[in-house]
Amino acid sequence: EAQVTQNPRYLITVTGKKLTVTCSQNMNHEYMSWYRQDPGLGLRQIYYSMNVEVTDKGDVPEGYKVSRKEKRNFPLILESPSPNQTSLYFCASSSRGTYNSPLHFGNGTRLTVT
Amino acid sequence: GNSVTQMEGPVTLSEEAFLTINCTYTATGYPSLFWYVQYPGEGLQLLLKATKADDKGSNKGFEATYRKETTSFHLEKGSVQVSDSAVYFCALSPTGNQFYFGTGTSLTVIP
Repeated sequence: EAQVTQNPRYLITVTGKKLTVTCSQNMNHEYMSWYRQDPGLGLRQIYYSMNVEVTDKGDVPEGYKVSRKEKRNFPLILESPSPNQTSLYFCASSSRGTYNSPLHFGNGTRLTVT
Repeated sequence: GNSVTQMEGPVTLSEEAFLTINCTYTATGYPSLFWYVQYPGEGLQLLLKATKADDKGSNKGFEATYRKETTSFHLEKGSVQVSDSAVYFCALSPTGNQFYFGTGTSLTVIP
């Protein structure tokens, strides 16, 4: 089954404790991206990647890192999480990264930073 | 800059009622426009898209027309069902790399 898999689904952590949210897709998509969803703000793009070793900032990259060492994986790293990063996070992928290709989303990771 | 403005919800309709969710946008160049739907506990799924002016996207009885003159992409459905209850997001992509989403409109359809 074609899918984007995020782990974990839920995560509670404390301020300053480094964490990684994993994202993996099995559709051989070149393009992958991360979003955060907050009430009243919709989805905002954090980072995106057009292919292996190619990443770029979205609208809200501060406090986040990403890496793309393999085509299928695109982990989101919070080196020193803060409470304002409490949010619902989504990973998405698409083929070729063009506007003709729809985004395929994972089921989300709900992060709480205390 | 690029941005999307959606009508605020929540929206509650009776089954078989007509649905309109307004969406207007600001963008540089000629973006592609999308509607995504999010069911509870799930990620977003593409509902429909339009890539140039006057294009009409349609899927599952939903329609939206890319109106460049009014910078709008309103979502419509003639007769909603209980199963249409979800959150709907309007989005644009000016380049295919970056995506801009509206705040989402929650729809509840009651029998």
